[in-house]
Amino acid sequence: DGGITQSPKYLFRKEGQNVTLSCEQNLNHDAMYWYRQDPGQGLRLIYYSQIVNDFQKGDIAEGYSVSREKKESFPLTVTSAQKNPTAFYLCASSEGARGTTEAFFGQGTRLTVV
Amino acid sequence: SQQGEEDPQALSIQEGENATMNCSYKTSINNLQWYRQNSGRGLVHLILIRSNEREKHSGRLRVTLDTSKKSSSLLITASRAADTASYFCATLQTGANNLFFGTGTRLTVIP
Repeated sequence: DGGITQSPKYLFRKEGQNVTLSCEQNLNHDAMYWYRQDPGQGLRLIYYSQIVNDFQKGDIAEGYSVSREKKESFPLTVTSAQKNPTAFYLCASSEGARGTTEAFFGQGTRLTVV
Repeated sequence: SQQGEEDPQALSIQEGENATMNCSYKTSINNLQWYRQNSGRGLVHLILIRSNEREKHSGRLRVTLDTSKKSSSLLITASRAADTASYFCATLQTGANNLFFGTGTRLTVIP
């Protein structure tokens, strides 16, 4: 089955901890994205990567970090510098760069600070 | 804001009726896409319309694009209870590197 997989589905973080959200795709897509969704809100772009070993900040990158060492993987780390990390995080990939084609989304990770 | 804005924010209809959602945006675009999200799940792509297209169909979905008014509409005909979801428009703005999403329309179809 081709697709994009996020794990874990639910994640709990204590104050001051860093946590890493996993995103893996086997669609052979060059572009990958991380979005944050707050209740009743649209999606806001955190980071995106058009190609391996390259990534760019989105609109709300502060307190987050990413890496793109492999084409298939684009993990997101939520650092302790992110003051309000409780949200639903969505990873996506697309064949075409720059949103020229449809984006495929994972099922999301719900992060809660406890 | 660079986001599109959907209207209405929420829509409730009876099964079998048509549902129309609108999206407005602010700058020139290369394409506009509609996505669906079931509660607590990821988004699913529905349809993409390019800036030089005016209308596209896919099954029970019809999308129109008016670049002069910077607006798009999504029509779902003969709605079903399973169509209950949030619907988002996303725009690829000219010169940008990624999609910008609106805040969504929450559609409820009552059986």
